[in-house]
Amino acid sequence: DTAVSQTPKYLVTQMGNDKSIKCEQNLGHDTMYWYKQDSKKFLKIMFSYNNKELIINETVPNRFSPKSPDKAHLNLHINSLELGDSAVYFCASSQVGGAGGEQFFGPGTRLTVL
Amino acid sequence: TQLLEQSPQFLSIQEGENLTVYCNSSSVFSSLQWYRQEPGEGPVLLVTVVTGGEVKKLKRLTFQFGDARKDSSLHITAAQPGDTGLYLCAGASSGGSNYKLTFGKGTLLTVNP
Repeated sequence: DTAVSQTPKYLVTQMGNDKSIKCEQNLGHDTMYWYKQDSKKFLKIMFSYNNKELIINETVPNRFSPKSPDKAHLNLHINSLELGDSAVYFCASSQVGGAGGEQFFGPGTRLTVL
Repeated sequence: TQLLEQSPQFLSIQEGENLTVYCNSSSVFSSLQWYRQEPGEGPVLLVTVVTGGEVKKLKRLTFQFGDARKDSSLHITAAQPGDTGLYLCAGASSGGSNYKLTFGKGTLLTVNP
């Protein structure tokens, strides 16, 4: 059983298009995250949600809109895609509480904007 | 803004050699985690260190958290080709619902047979 799953695995699209990435976790965790990993492998947090509520928004452009229909799902919709949005996007989840919560990552979605 | 400086960025060694990866910050973290990422996959947690001065061992890997909880190191003894991957350190800022990880830029390790 996959703990954190993302779809699609690969996404190739034209500049200006709108696209969505879906994420689901079956670990029963309260918190979910979206990260962006650039071409230099730098992993940066974008958003975190706790029980469907937005907790962290790391100054991400308004073109990015996360949606959490329930605590097991966190989707990412991106409007008006730009070349600089090309990256690998990772979804992750963790159980809230404590100082050392492990984050479980999905396999990533490689987005290429042409 | 909390920053984690990780070094070296790239490391290519021969099988059997030892290596150390460093993770430094001017900020204090409540805990520090080390992840390993293989191509086409997400990062996977190796270890979490919480207490200043803590040392944890995972087979040939030794992790240390600095006394002031601002830095950490990962030492691999007798590296093997299977150790090849991207190693990421990540500092945790706080607990509760505001829990957030700040990642270093990673160390890409290649162990040649």
